[in-house]
Amino acid sequence: SQKIEQNSEALNIQEGKTATLTCNYTNYSPAYLQWYRQDPGRGPVFLLLIRENEKEKRKERLKVTFDTTLKQSLFHITASQPADSATYLCAPGETGNNRKLIWGLGTSLAVNP
Amino acid sequence: DAGITQSPRYKITETGRQVTLMCHQTWSHSYMFWYRQDLGHGLRLIYYSAAADITDKGEVPDGYVVSRSKTENFPLTLESATRSQTSVYFCASLNIRQVTYEQYFGPGTRLTVT
Repeated sequence: SQKIEQNSEALNIQEGKTATLTCNYTNYSPAYLQWYRQDPGRGPVFLLLIRENEKEKRKERLKVTFDTTLKQSLFHITASQPADSATYLCAPGETGNNRKLIWGLGTSLAVNP
Repeated sequence: DAGITQSPRYKITETGRQVTLMCHQTWSHSYMFWYRQDLGHGLRLIYYSAAADITDKGEVPDGYVVSRSKTENFPLTLESATRSQTSVYFCASLNIRQVTYEQYFGPGTRLTVT
């Protein structure tokens, strides 16, 4: 069955460092992969989309890579800030599948001042 | 208010009762989704709708009913609530013309079935 795996343990880093979150998928060939941020008690908020033919995508301090050979996406936050503390979800999708996504459990990130 | 809203935000109900969770979006997005989020399971799709009067099952549809008579509304009904349906429910919408395929989520409804 299709499976999405993200860093199972919470990630604690020091302010100013780069946070790297991992998303691995199996039995799946997504056409794109999305990353969302979720704060406690709120719904997820979209951050970035990367397509299968793109190796890397950047948005301000965020960088996402997509390796279809390794079946992996990496999500980087550079110069991290305490305000970046949240849970980050990855969600691969298929364009022909009614935009349905399969969601990872998420990785909790805590940035310490 | 513009955006996507859910009501109620919190609900406590008893086993066996019927409960309806409401979802309303102001953008006229064609797609809408209902998810439940539980510890250890992440977001799981219950039902989705590609347009008014078009709905389809997701990963965990049993015990739930949806309808979509108007584009902006997508209510989710638990026909006979069970304790296993205690969860946080999120509604989301998607604009099919948006190339990022991003889903816009509501604030969620925390449902407790006693």
